[in-house]
This record gives sequence, C-alpha cells and structure tokens, in this order.
Amino acid sequence: EVQLLESGGGLEQPGGSLRISCAASGFTFRSYAMSWVRQAPGKGLEWVSAISGRSTGTYYADSVKGRFTISRDNSKNTLYLQMNSLRAEDTALYYCAKGPYHDFWSIFYDWGQGTLVTVSS
Amino acid sequence: QSALTQPPSASGSPGQSVTISCTGTSSDIGAYNYVSWYQQHPGRAPKVIIYEVNKRPSGVPDRFSGSKSGNTASLTVSGLQAEDEADYYCSSYATSNRGVFGSGTQVTVL
Repeated sequence: EVQLLESGGGLEQPGGSLRISCAASGFTFRSYAMSWVRQAPGKGLEWVSAISGRSTGTYYADSVKGRFTISRDNSKNTLYLQMNSLRAEDTALYYCAKGPYHDFWSIFYDWGQGTLVTVSS
Repeated sequence: QSALTQPPSASGSPGQSVTISCTGTSSDIGAYNYVSWYQQHPGRAPKVIIYEVNKRPSGVPDRFSGSKSGNTASLTVSGLQAEDEADYYCSSYATSNRGVFGSGTQVTVL
C-alpha cells in the first residue's frame, strides 16, 4: 500500500524559510516522479512543483519559481520542498503526490494527508 | 499560468446525471491528452477518479466518465449517489512543463 507522510509544516514569519518533507513507503520510490500540490484554506488546489524519479528534471509554478526548491533523497525514500522568502500567500496545506512514471508527474495518483504551512507575523 | 475554469457548483438528485466542464486553452487542455479529475471530500486528501481524459483507475465506479473537445474537458457522474457529494477538480499538463488545476466545482446531491 502506498503511503505518503508529510511533515515539517508550521508557523513562519514573512521572509522566512521552511523545509517540508514527505516520507514514502509501499512502492519503489526512485521509479516515480513526485509533486507538491498546495491548498490555501477554503480554496482550490494549486500545483507547486515536481521532480523526476532520478532528479534529472525539476519543475516549478511561476508563483514559487526562484523561491522554492524541490529535491529528493532516493536512499531515504523522502521528498523535500525548501521554501525561502515566504509570503502570506504561501499559507496552505501542502500535499505530496506520486506520479505515474519516473519521468512524468502530471497525474497525481496517490496523495498524502498534507502538512500545514502558515506564514504570518 | 491561470487556473482552468470550472463552474462553482453543480447539483442533481439521486440517480440523475451531472456534468462538470473544465475550460482551458490551447497551451494546456487543447494541447495534451493529460487531463485528470480529482474528487475531494471535506477534510480529506484529493483522489484521482479520471486520468488521461477518460481512463478510470481501478476501483473507481464506471458511473464516472470523462471526455474532451478542443480546449474543454468534461466529467460526467451518472446515477448520482449521496457519497458523490464532494468538490471536484480538473487538472492538465501545460506547456513549459507546468501543471494547472481547475477552480473546483462543489457537487451537491439534492
């Protein structure tokens, strides 16, 4: 059974940094692209970033490009999102999601339960 | 990348059908057959119910079907059941390796 467990969320001030993680189990992690999708309170889903199985490709939404960095450690079955220069509009529940293949991410087959990031002074 | 356009709400009585539209552009829905649909119940993570326009993952009832014409994709839920009451989001792959979601549609079973 695929399991995705996000962690690392919390309260951070505007301009600050935070790194969130997603621990994966139940599948061969390195064989699948992974993504981060966020949902602001009471709002819709927004794709944030994606990474191929072997980290050869990384992709970002315009709203986070230059501020967020996605990475993965296949030896630890863990996905990361380093978030810098945080803004109030980054406040959201951040989900990690598993893609269908190692080099394609745009179908979000399995989801974690999310970690809440709040940016406020 | 602007969100795909969905109607805010849709409704139907049990047993009826409801169709949700998802309008994009020639850079996303119109360019690729990578349209997916997700169902989200309150307080829960989204669940994929349709991928690649009209394919259903195992375990998803065949009451759910998808289609696409030009820049618009559609999700039809036939034989509405109480448990179908949820938020539904479309998603598409877009040019320049981007992803885009729809604005979401709240489905109410009357």
